[in-house]
Amino acid sequence: GQQVMQIPQYQHVQEGEDFTTYCNSSTTLSNIQWYKQRPGGHPVFLIQLVKSGEVKKQKRLTFQFGEAKKNSSLHITATQTTDVGTYFCAGRNTGGFKTIFGAGTRLFVKA
Amino acid sequence: DAGVIQSPRHEVTEMGQEVTLRCKPISGHDYLFWYRQTMMRGLELLIYFNNNVPIDDSGMPEDRFSAKMPNASFSTLKIQPSEPRDSAVYFCASSFGQQPQHFGDGTRLSIL
Repeated sequence: GQQVMQIPQYQHVQEGEDFTTYCNSSTTLSNIQWYKQRPGGHPVFLIQLVKSGEVKKQKRLTFQFGEAKKNSSLHITATQTTDVGTYFCAGRNTGGFKTIFGAGTRLFVKA
Repeated sequence: DAGVIQSPRHEVTEMGQEVTLRCKPISGHDYLFWYRQTMMRGLELLIYFNNNVPIDDSGMPEDRFSAKMPNASFSTLKIQPSEPRDSAVYFCASSFGQQPQHFGDGTRLSIL
């Protein structure tokens, strides 16, 4: 069945450093979504990517969707303590509806 | 605008007891999802409904778990009998079609 792998599992950074999390699917995706979950909170939708090679930016966050639509990345430039949390990618198979969440990358930012 | 509403927020009960978690999706959303989150297994999709009909329950761990959606504005997830390994945070989420999912605040369940 479809699998969505996400790495790394954890990342500790100093405030101001950059951060990247990667997502890989075993099958071609129709779209990929990214969510952020603050400690003690619930996942909150950040963005959706649909097109092959698509790149979207939200302030210091840059999201990419691979050319083959099997991988994606989230890059945060100059992390801040407010970026702390777990970042999940979630992919949907072409022709299907079920969205599969990756295991998430937990980001720790030291001030 | 009210989001997804879950109750209770916290539940502590003894093993063997029946547990019922409740969810009110966002009005107008036609998909409803139940997830379980633990440190060991991450975020797991248990079941989802479309227009109140269960579509995929392959993530339901075993027969002790059941979910219903009697109408468009209410769903329940029931565990009977509960076991300590069921302790987790249970999230309900809803969406309109293939739009992104909106999650509730979750129910933190502890089975003693």
